[in-house]
Amino acid sequence: EIVMTQSPATLSVSPGERATLSCRASQSVSSNLAWYQQKPGQAPRLLIYGASTRATGFPARFSGSGSGTEFTLTISSLQSEDFAVYYCQQSNNWPFTFGPGTKVDIK
Amino acid sequence: EVQLVESGGGLVQPGGSLRLSCAASGFTFSSNWMNWVRQAPETGLEWVANIHPDGSQKSYVDSVKGRFTISRDNAKTSLYLQMNSLRAEDTAVYYCAAGVSIWGQGTLVTVSS
Repeated sequence: EIVMTQSPATLSVSPGERATLSCRASQSVSSNLAWYQQKPGQAPRLLIYGASTRATGFPARFSGSGSGTEFTLTISSLQSEDFAVYYCQQSNNWPFTFGPGTKVDIK
Repeated sequence: EVQLVESGGGLVQPGGSLRLSCAASGFTFSSNWMNWVRQAPETGLEWVANIHPDGSQKSYVDSVKGRFTISRDNAKTSLYLQMNSLRAEDTAVYYCAAGVSIWGQGTLVTVSS
C-alpha cells in the first residue's frame, strides 16, 4: 500500500497570504495525484487532478505541481472561503490512499 | 442537476449487517467507475471499494475484503454496499463517488452495542 504523508498538519495563514501545502508518496504515483478540499459537515470536493489540472469551479489562485513522489498545492492569495482541510490522494495503485490532511486556518 | 444521494446508514451492533444505497442522477451513471469512500475521525479518509462501469471488476481495501460487497444496477442508476460482520472500526461516514469528481453527502454508519 502506498502511504501518503502531508505537511504541515496545520497551516495558519492570514487572508491574502500565500499557502504552500506538501504531499509525499511512499513510492512513485506518477501524476496520478488529486487534491480535495473539505469544509466542516461537507463531503470532500475535488480540487486538482492529474497533479496539476484544476477542477471545475475553482479559481486560478489554486495550483498543483509535482510528479513521482513529491507534490505541492499552492493557494496564491488566501480568501476567507479557502479555510478548510486539504487532502491529497493517489490513484496510481490499488488501494487508492489519502494523506492525513492539512488544515488551513486563519492566523 | 448532478447528484448522488446515499441512504441506509444507521446504528448496528457488532457482527450485524447493513446495506447502503446510492442513487445517482444528472450524469451518465453507466459510464462511470463508482466508489465507496469512508471517513472516520480516527483513521481519516479510506477508499473502501470500487466497481467498473459494467460491474465486471471490483476491488476492495484489505480491511473489508470478505465482509463487504459492492454492486450496481445501471438500469436503476444505483450503487450498493452490502456490509456484513460489521466491527466497531467500520464506524464512519460512507460516501459514494462517481470517479473522483462527483460525491454524495454521505451516510453515517455506527457500529456499537
